[in-house]
Amino acid sequence: EAGVAQSPRYKIIEKRQSVAFWCNPISGHATLYWYQQILGQGPKLLIQFQNNGVVDDSQLPKDRFSAERLKGVDSTLKIQPAKLEDSAVYLCASSLEDYPRDEQFFGPGTRLTVL
Amino acid sequence: AQSVAQPEDQVNVAEGNPLTVKCTYSVSGNPYLFWYVQYPNRGLQFLLKYITGDNLVKGSYGFEAEFNKSQTSFHLKKPSALVSDSALYFCAVRDKTGKLIFGQGTTLQVKP
Repeated sequence: EAGVAQSPRYKIIEKRQSVAFWCNPISGHATLYWYQQILGQGPKLLIQFQNNGVVDDSQLPKDRFSAERLKGVDSTLKIQPAKLEDSAVYLCASSLEDYPRDEQFFGPGTRLTVL
Repeated sequence: AQSVAQPEDQVNVAEGNPLTVKCTYSVSGNPYLFWYVQYPNRGLQFLLKYITGDNLVKGSYGFEAEFNKSQTSFHLKKPSALVSDSALYFCAVRDKTGKLIFGQGTTLQVKP
């Protein structure tokens, strides 16, 4: 089966610019996650969707970050305006459901560099 | 609050030797524990998980992990390391609230 797809793979922008990332989860997976992975750290959850509803966005910096999952399939994560500290890899993951036993499947990530 | 600790930033082992990557956790209730591996410029790949039952869990690529409730540990092991096992390994814990909490990662370096 096809894995989680993400684009772009790399993005370089200047601070105060905006950027958007796209994710297509594994077909049939109801739950979608966006993580931020800063160099040298483990991934940190930004937002979790169950179908097209938000389950957890407690760690999403809502003054600059937004995310949506229209029609319960693809998702976009946007940053506006970007700051230097947003430089990181943004990982999208999906799982079949939201049961604690379900493993998450990760995409290759988008590496963002903010200059 | 739940947390995961990987006490070693890097583990070095010779090819053919056994390897252990350590992980300890803190969580309320029964833990759901996971190991993921990350190769350069790629996303995380699932290796194995502990949900309940046998304390020794077998996973992909010959890896296994031992759950120890009294020591709150979930160490990753492999009897014979390969150079291709060199990568970044993450331990993660998920409790009843559902959020997956990752450790900071351990770089495994297997030398020929």
